[in-house]
Amino acid sequence: NAGVTQTPKFRVLKTGQSMTLLCAQDMNHEYMYWYRQDPGMGLRLIHYSVGEGTTAKGEVPDGYNVSRLKKQNFLLGLESAAPSQTSVYFCASSYRLAASYGYTFGSGTRLTVV
Amino acid sequence: KQEVTQIPAALSVPEGENLVLNCSFTDSAIYNLQWFRQDPGKGLTSLLLIQSSQREQTSGRLNASLDKSSGRSTLYIAASQPGDSATYLCAVINGAGKSTFGDGTTLTVKP
Repeated sequence: NAGVTQTPKFRVLKTGQSMTLLCAQDMNHEYMYWYRQDPGMGLRLIHYSVGEGTTAKGEVPDGYNVSRLKKQNFLLGLESAAPSQTSVYFCASSYRLAASYGYTFGSGTRLTVV
Repeated sequence: KQEVTQIPAALSVPEGENLVLNCSFTDSAIYNLQWFRQDPGKGLTSLLLIQSSQREQTSGRLNASLDKSSGRSTLYIAASQPGDSATYLCAVINGAGKSTFGDGTTLTVKP
């Protein structure tokens, strides 16, 4: 019963490097989300997806891209990492609209950009 | 714009105490409210989900209440234990699925 799995758990990048964070869920959830968590800022939505093949911008989408080629996977990409993207990234999913079913979160990816 | 405030930011209590964590929100047009627990370096674990039509939800020693009209929710923890030490976050979600998270209250329960 894995739930939401994020890889990697930790990563250090140099400014300008690129990387992809992977989120996988085995609960057949339609909706998936990427958040970042920063001290004093709460969790902020980066991008989300309401189904396979769909993506939409959240509150802080700049500098990130996403893809949802398969229902169970949601990828977050950083094309050219910046120190401002140092954060803890969380993936979440919900069966349908989170308003009705609430969220299930992964354990997070701690990213440092130097 | 919805704003969610959790006061206090940190709380320390001796083991066995009953305690209340607070969550306030500015826009009462919410669809549900969810309480989470976050352990250091870990993800968020859902504790309770309260639909806007409900007044409270209970799970074991936890009881969450919701008063939409006053923009407040409380999480009551009975007979606190050291294992309850964690950060507790609330999230309010509107009918369009947009969520706003509070910054959390960090609870320390001393043996």
